[in-house]
Amino acid sequence: DQQVKQNSPSLSVQEGRISILNCDYTNSMFDYFLWYKKYPAEGPTFLISISSIKDKNEDGRFTVFLNKSAKHLSLHIVPSQPGDSAVYFCAALPPQKVTFGTGTKLQVIP
Amino acid sequence: KAGVTQTPRYLIKTRGQQVTLSCSPISGHRSVSWYQQTPGQGLQFLFEYFSETQRNKGNFPGRFSGRQFSNSRSEMNVSTLELGDSALYLCASSSHGGAMGETQYFGPGTRLLVL
Repeated sequence: DQQVKQNSPSLSVQEGRISILNCDYTNSMFDYFLWYKKYPAEGPTFLISISSIKDKNEDGRFTVFLNKSAKHLSLHIVPSQPGDSAVYFCAALPPQKVTFGTGTKLQVIP
Repeated sequence: KAGVTQTPRYLIKTRGQQVTLSCSPISGHRSVSWYQQTPGQGLQFLFEYFSETQRNKGNFPGRFSGRQFSNSRSEMNVSTLELGDSALYLCASSSHGGAMGETQYFGPGTRLLVL
C-alpha cells in the first residue's frame, strides 16, 4: 500500500520554464513533508521541507505547496536549469519513520 | 563533518548467498535508517536503529536484518538472496531519527546485484 505517491514517473521541461512535481499522500497523520533530489550513483540530498501548519514554503528557486484537504503537495522550480535534472522524491513523516514516494525523474532541456 | 559512508559501493552475489552492508553515520548522529530503492517501488523503508536498538521496522521479510554498534555504525544483512533483492541500498543518519522537522542525511548507497 503506497501511502505516498508520485504519479508522474518522468517530466521534461525547457530550461527557464517552470517545473512542477506532484505528490499525493493518503495518511492524514503525516505532518511534515520533505523533498529530496537524487543524482545517479549518489544518495538523496535534502531540498526543501514544509510543515503541515503551513501551505507554502519558499527557498530560492524552489517552492513547496501543501494542500492538506486534498492531501497533495507540489514542488515548483522556477526557473528550471539543466543542473536540476535528477530524480525527485517527496517524503512524509510522522516521526521516526520516513515514507518516500516512488520518485519523478525531471529532465530539463537546454 | 564527514558525510554518511557506505561500504561496499558495489556488490555482486548469487542467489542463496548472504550479504552484509555497512553504514557509518555522521559523527554524533545516533539514528541510522536503511532503505531499499528499486525502479518500480521507489524508496522503501527497511528499519531504523537508534542507540543500538531497532526502533522501527518496515514490511520486509525476516531475511533482512540489521544491527547497530556502540559507535552508531550499522550493518544490514540479507540472507538467502533472491533475484528481487537486486537494488540500491541506502542508509541515512540523523541525530534523533526523523523527529519533527529533522532531516536525514543519506549515504551514496550500495548497489547490490543478485545473479
